[in-house]
Amino acid sequence: EAGVAQSPRYKIIEKRQSVAFWCNPISGHATLYWYQQILGQGPKLLIQFQNNGVVDDSQLPKDRFSAERLKGVDSTLKIQPAKLEDSAVYLCASNTGGTRSYEQYFGPGTRLTVT
Amino acid sequence: DAKTTQPPSMDCAEGRAANLPCNHSTISGNEYVYWYRQIHSQGPQYIIHGLKNNETNEMASLIITEDRKSSTLILPHATLRDTAVYYCIVRPKRGSQGNLIFGKGIKLSVKP
Repeated sequence: EAGVAQSPRYKIIEKRQSVAFWCNPISGHATLYWYQQILGQGPKLLIQFQNNGVVDDSQLPKDRFSAERLKGVDSTLKIQPAKLEDSAVYLCASNTGGTRSYEQYFGPGTRLTVT
Repeated sequence: DAKTTQPPSMDCAEGRAANLPCNHSTISGNEYVYWYRQIHSQGPQYIIHGLKNNETNEMASLIITEDRKSSTLILPHATLRDTAVYYCIVRPKRGSQGNLIFGKGIKLSVKP
């Protein structure tokens, strides 16, 4: 089966600009996650969707970050305006949820550099 | 914050067993131990999980101490492709409560 797809793989922007990342989860996976991974650290959950509803966005900096999952499939994560500290890899993951919610399938990530 | 403690790094010779330790002294009765790994420039990958019994699958073995305060992930015959950061995570098995909280992990370097 096809894995989690993300685009773009790399993005360089200047601070105060906006940027958007796209994720296509594994077909049939109801749960979708966005993580932020700063260099040298483990991934940190930003937001979790169950179908097209938000389950957990407690770690999402809502003043500048937004995410949506229209129709319960693809998702986009947006940053506006970007700050230098937003430089990180943004990972998307998905799973079927339920009793196997611990097994998340990750995409390759989008590496964002803010200058 | 992560509920686990791992050494920052370790080396292993190719073909030898890699034993990766993890301390989780505050683990609760309903929490499982999960291991993920992240190869350079890739997303994390699930490896194995367990509650209190030792577990084995095609990738690795997981040994959990009787008091459940620590565990060891064993890669029986490490290859160069096993070079990665390995994350030990504790959380309840069911539902989304206690989503995956990654620490810094342990960087395993497999050397020829």
